[in-house]
Amino acid sequence: QSVLTQTPSASGTPGQRVTISCSGSTSNIGRNFVSWYQYLPGTAPQLLISRNSHRPSGIPDRFSASTSGTSASLAISGLRSEDEAEYYCAAWDDSLSGPVFGGGTKLTVL
Amino acid sequence: QVTLKESGPVLVKPTETLTLTCTVSGFSLSDSRVGVTWIRRPPGKALEWLAHILSSDAKSYSTSLKSRLTISKDTSRSQVVLTLTDMDPVDTGTYYCARVRMGFRDMDVWGPGTTVAVAS
Repeated sequence: QSVLTQTPSASGTPGQRVTISCSGSTSNIGRNFVSWYQYLPGTAPQLLISRNSHRPSGIPDRFSASTSGTSASLAISGLRSEDEAEYYCAAWDDSLSGPVFGGGTKLTVL
Repeated sequence: QVTLKESGPVLVKPTETLTLTCTVSGFSLSDSRVGVTWIRRPPGKALEWLAHILSSDAKSYSTSLKSRLTISKDTSRSQVVLTLTDMDPVDTGTYYCARVRMGFRDMDVWGPGTTVAVAS
């Protein structure tokens, strides 16, 4: 069972906006940066969002994120078929001195 | 260009010890701004953090696997080694190493992963 809680699945049609949520605690999201990763089976996870809301170079501005208290959310606007993937939130956990992950959200583009 | 690449056996038998090597390039393991972490993904399951090592050689481990894990580094060879003892079929999965930016606490570059199966 993952330390951070994510809804297992989400879906949307091309062009729509979808939001994925992530819930943690004061030892992780509550006091450390949240990052988000896109995962396609057979490939390496890719950093989508850093420091709660910053997009690394090359990540489209269709991806945005925010945090509030012990929760975080990732929004994908203008949904495309290539966005169909698993999305994971992560945050450093002070009690572990390491990162903790959410259980992943499988996004389906209908 | 920063790269990481995992290497190790494709198949191990139950009770054996798994040894994986992460070879990095484009940055130094002595750089205090970064660390290297190991993460795995069992088939159909979520990403799971395993262990982490800093330039200072400080180490941290997953609570549930701590008794079975050892992480070490050889800075001169740009390698980080992870061992996992007493392998079980539930340890089957893809194992990744990734660079951690300590200031941001994110994993900005990942290796392609190496798939390990545990079977007799």
